[in-house]
Amino acid sequence: AQSVAQPEDQVNVAEGNPLTVKCTYSVSGNPYLFWYVQYPNRGLQFLLKYITGDNLVKGSYGFEAEFNKSQTSFHLKKPSALVSDSALYFCAVRDLTGSARQLTFGSGTQLTVLP
Amino acid sequence: EPEVTQTPSHQVTQMGQEVILRCVPISNHLYFYWYRQILGQKVEFLVSFYNNEISEKSEIFDDQFSVERPDGSNFTLKIRSTKLEDSAMYFCASRRGGITGELFFGEGSRLTVL
Repeated sequence: AQSVAQPEDQVNVAEGNPLTVKCTYSVSGNPYLFWYVQYPNRGLQFLLKYITGDNLVKGSYGFEAEFNKSQTSFHLKKPSALVSDSALYFCAVRDLTGSARQLTFGSGTQLTVLP
Repeated sequence: EPEVTQTPSHQVTQMGQEVILRCVPISNHLYFYWYRQILGQKVEFLVSFYNNEISEKSEIFDDQFSVERPDGSNFTLKIRSTKLEDSAMYFCASRRGGITGELFFGEGSRLTVL
């Protein structure tokens, strides 16, 4: 089975400060990891993904994520937060070597960037 | 940029009524999905569809649910007899072939069952 944990329901950060949204995963094989963002009353927008290769993945809007196999983590980061980054962020995983083909999402983390 | 479109954006129905939610996936995509999100909760997988058949479904996707791709462009989710607990935002998604493709989501259809 595959699962994702986002331990923080809410993250608050001041504009201009670095932000981190945490994610840990569990798969039996090799993970395929995603971050999506959801603005109010909107669908999920793809931010970035990790398959293999460089552990630091760069995505849209200046976001990046670091894959750490030993800690089974895939934290989302941004060096300098903007008020417009305030949204709901979801981490998701697919086990590349398992039989499941669907994405499993975490419970989401509400990011609020304070002006 | 191509996108997944969903209709209706919001539907209100009475308990026990049938509901059909419609989706037009991105045209060259091969895999189609329905997810749902109960207000304030996580995004849950319902069903995936490939090559005109269901490839995976979750425990949520019971006999009250069905999916169809009737005309090669639309992808529909039918709930035969709605329950109060079916109230949620329903998201359609699609992706190209190949296991590493990301999902592209529509804006969602909000279903309210009274």
